[in-house]
Amino acid sequence: GPKVLQIPSHQIIDMGQMVTLNCDPVSNHLYFYWYKQILGQQMEFLVNFYNGKVMEKSKLFKDQFSVERPDGSYFTLKIQPTALEDSAVYFCASSLGLSNTGQLYFGEGSKLTVL
Amino acid sequence: GDSVTQTEGQVALSEEDFLTIHCNYSASGYPALFWYVQYPGEGPQFLFRASRDKEKGSSRGFEATYDKGTTSFHLRKASVQESDSAVYYCALGPLNTGNYKYVFGAGTRLKVIA
Repeated sequence: GPKVLQIPSHQIIDMGQMVTLNCDPVSNHLYFYWYKQILGQQMEFLVNFYNGKVMEKSKLFKDQFSVERPDGSYFTLKIQPTALEDSAVYFCASSLGLSNTGQLYFGEGSKLTVL
Repeated sequence: GDSVTQTEGQVALSEEDFLTIHCNYSASGYPALFWYVQYPGEGPQFLFRASRDKEKGSSRGFEATYDKGTTSFHLRKASVQESDSAVYYCALGPLNTGNYKYVFGAGTRLKVIA
C-alpha cells in the first residue's frame, strides 16, 4: 500500500540544538500532519498543512516549531531550539483529502531524544 | 473541543476470546469515525471507518457500528488471535468546519495470550 517515509528514524541531540525531521508523504496526497507521541502515551496532534500553509495547530506546536514543504520536496518539522520535553516519537501522516471518507497514512515515526 | 474516550487502557485475553474495546466521542458536528492499529515500532495503520449513523465498518474480523445516539463506535472481534496484540486507537475525522485534524483516543493496549 501507500507509504509515508520518515528520516531519520532516531536522532539524539543536546538541548538547545536545532533538529529537522523529514517526511516523504504519499505521492498524490495534499494534506500533511505531524503528531507527537511520548512513550506509551496518546498520539497528540501538532499541526496540519495544505497548499503551503498551516491549516490548524495545537497548543503543543510551540513558537520553536515550524513546518514547510518547499517545492514538493520533504515535509519538514523543525524545532529550534529543542527542549527536554520535546523528546518523543514524531509521526508524519498524509491524506488525499479532507472529506469525511479520508484516512491518514502514517510513517513509522522519528524518535527524538533531547539530552 | 472534540474528544475521544477509550475506556480500557489495557485488555488481556486468551486466544479465541471475544474482544470489546469501548469508544465514545464528543464532537460538535457529524464526523467520520475510525479505528487504527499500532504494532510495536510502527506508525498507526488504518483499520476501517464509518461515516454515518448505523454504518458498520469492518476489517480482518474486527467491526464497529457508528451509533450517533450513544455517540459510540465500539470495536469488537469474535475470536482474537495472538497476532492481534497491538494498541488500538479510536479516532474522529475532520469536520470541514474550520477543524481539520483527526482526534485520537488514548489507545487500548491489547495483549492476547496463546
